[in-house]
Parts: sequence; structure tokens; C-alpha cells
Amino acid sequence: GAVVSQHPSRVICKSGTSVKIECRSLDFQATTMFWYRQFPKQSLMLMATSNEGSKATYEQGVEKDKFLINHASLTLSTLTVTSAHPEDSSFYICSASQYGTGEETQYFGPGTRLLVL
Amino acid sequence: GNSVTQMEGPVTLSEEAFLTINCTYTATGYPSLFWYVQYPGEGLQLLLKATKADDKGSNKGFEATYRKETTSFHLEKGSVQVSDSAVYFCALSSWEYGNKLVFGAGTILRVKS
Repeated sequence: GAVVSQHPSRVICKSGTSVKIECRSLDFQATTMFWYRQFPKQSLMLMATSNEGSKATYEQGVEKDKFLINHASLTLSTLTVTSAHPEDSSFYICSASQYGTGEETQYFGPGTRLLVL
Repeated sequence: GNSVTQMEGPVTLSEEAFLTINCTYTATGYPSLFWYVQYPGEGLQLLLKATKADDKGSNKGFEATYRKETTSFHLEKGSVQVSDSAVYFCALSSWEYGNKLVFGAGTILRVKS
């Protein structure tokens, strides 16, 4: 149980294009999903928290207009990197949890590696 | 604010050696504590967790005990295998901070045969 998938696993795009990354909880309903960014050999940096049906809450320093997050259902959240630039190249990881049900553990997806040329 | 400090790596061990990765935390209230493992090129997997003082989390031969008096959650394994080579992250969450996970910097473990 508690499986989270991400799609795509790897994406290469040209500078200036937008890229959408999907995060799905496969066997549970995720009341809350989180998006992280991880630079090589570093820890995870929380970008934003999204609750189903409401606007995402972004961490300080994260551009909400550049990293659009949608959490339209209890099993799907999407992160869209708009007008991507080479400095946006990174490993993006989502996690999902069932906060409010007594289960607070976050379960992570396998990550999406983005390379912007 | 909440923070997690892990021992710096990389930690290099021979197969069947004893493993300890130190983790200490600073938090208000009563956080939950976690160890996550990340294999090369993959996302994070929950390894074990403990939600209150003196709880012991265990999984796949790994153990960690929630020590409130020393604010520690050290990860141990009695006999490591080559397949345990990965990056290990200690983390905490507390409802006072919206249950957001706060991660340590991660510790690289390399096990040689």
C-alpha cells in the first residue's frame, strides 16, 4: 500500500517551454500533496504544499507564477514549470499524505528529472 | 524553528559491519521522527518512523529509537549489505508547523563487498 507515482520520470525540454509533471497516489486518497526540489547531492527543498480543492501554499522564495500547482482530486496533483530555463533543471519529487485521518506519514514518488536545454 | 542534524558522510563500511548514522533534532512540542532512504536515481522510501518518546521504529534490519532526553533518533543496523548502499535522510514533522517534513542533509552510505 501507499504507492505514489510520478510521470514522466525524465523529461528534456527546450528553454522557454512549459513542462507538466503529474503525481498520483495509487492506492489511497491524498488530502495533502507536497512538491520538493532536490539538487545534486543535496537534501530536499520543500517548494509547496497543496490540499485538494484549494490553492497551494508556497514556501518563501518559490515563484508561484513559475511553478503552478494544481490538486484537482484526492489522487492527482500536477506541477507545471512555466517558461522553463536551464536553472530550473533539477530532480522534482512529490509526496502524498492523508493528514486529518490520523496518518501523517508522507509517501514519496520516484521523482522526475527535468533537463532544460 | 525545527531542524535536523545528521552526521556527515560518506560512511564507508565493509559488508556485515555494524552501522550507526547519528541524527539529532531541535523541535518544539512532540515531533514525529522518520528515516527515509534514497537509492541512486530514485525518490525517497520510508524506512521507519517513531511518533513518540521511547518508540522504536524498525524495518529490514534497521532500527532507531526516539530519545527525547537526548533529542536523538540514531539509525542502526547490525550487519549491512552491499544493497544497503544509498543516501539516508533523517526527518521530523510536527503539527505546530503544519506537518511539513524537515530533512537533515542526508548521509551517503557505501558498503563494499
